[in-house]
Amino acid sequence: AQTVTQSQPEMSVQEAETVTLSCTYDTSESDYYLFWYKQPPSRQMILVIRQEAYKQQNATENRFSVNFQKAAKSFSLKISDSQLGDAAMYFCAYRSAEGGSEKLVFGKGTKLTVNP
Amino acid sequence: GAGVSQSPSNKVTEKGKDVELRCDPISGHTALYWYRQSLGQGLEFLIYFQGNSAPDKSGLPSDRFSAERTGGSVSTLTIQRTQQEDSAVYLCASSYLWGGTTDTQYFGPGTRLTVL
Repeated sequence: AQTVTQSQPEMSVQEAETVTLSCTYDTSESDYYLFWYKQPPSRQMILVIRQEAYKQQNATENRFSVNFQKAAKSFSLKISDSQLGDAAMYFCAYRSAEGGSEKLVFGKGTKLTVNP
Repeated sequence: GAGVSQSPSNKVTEKGKDVELRCDPISGHTALYWYRQSLGQGLEFLIYFQGNSAPDKSGLPSDRFSAERTGGSVSTLTIQRTQQEDSAVYLCASSYLWGGTTDTQYFGPGTRLTVL
C-alpha cells in the first residue's frame, strides 16, 4: 500500500519570504499523480498544485512550485513571496494512475503560519 | 460554476442515533468520493463511486457505514448507530472522467459530525 509522509507538523514563515514544505511517499508503482492541497480554517480543501509522475518538469502555479524527485520519492512544495492568506494546513496526496482505486492517500499535513 | 456542496454543515447527534450526510457534486462530474478527517487518523478514504460501476467500498470502517448515489449525482452517506469515534469531518469530492481515468478531485466544505 502507498504511504505519504509529511515530516513537518508545523512550519512558519515571514510574510514575503519563501518556505518549503516536505513530502515523501512510498510506492512500487511507476505511474501516479501527486498533489498539494491547502485547507484553511474554513475546512474547504483547495487544490494548490498537481504533478504527473511521468513528467520530469516540475509543476508551477504562480507563487507555488514543486521539486519532484521521482527516484528519491520526494515531492516538496515551495511557496514564494508568502502572503498572510497562505496560512493553512497543507496536505500532500498520492493517487495511482495504474487502474484500480482512484482514491487519494494523504499525508498527516503541515500547519503553515505566516507572520506579518 | 458551482462547486461541491455538502449538507448539513454541522451535525450534532446522540450516540446510537442514525445520521445522513448529503453531497452534491459538481455538475458533469461522474466520480464521487467520501473521505473522513479526524484528529487521530488524519484524512481517510471511505468510498468511491464512478458512473454505473460498482462502488469501491474498501475504506468503509464498519458495516454501520453505507453510502448510495442516486441518478449518478447526489450521494448520501449514512452512519447507523453512531459511536463517539465517528465524530469527524466528512468530506466529499468529485471529479471528471477524462481519458479513461479520473481527473483532479474537487472537495466540498465538509460536514462536521459530533456524536455526544
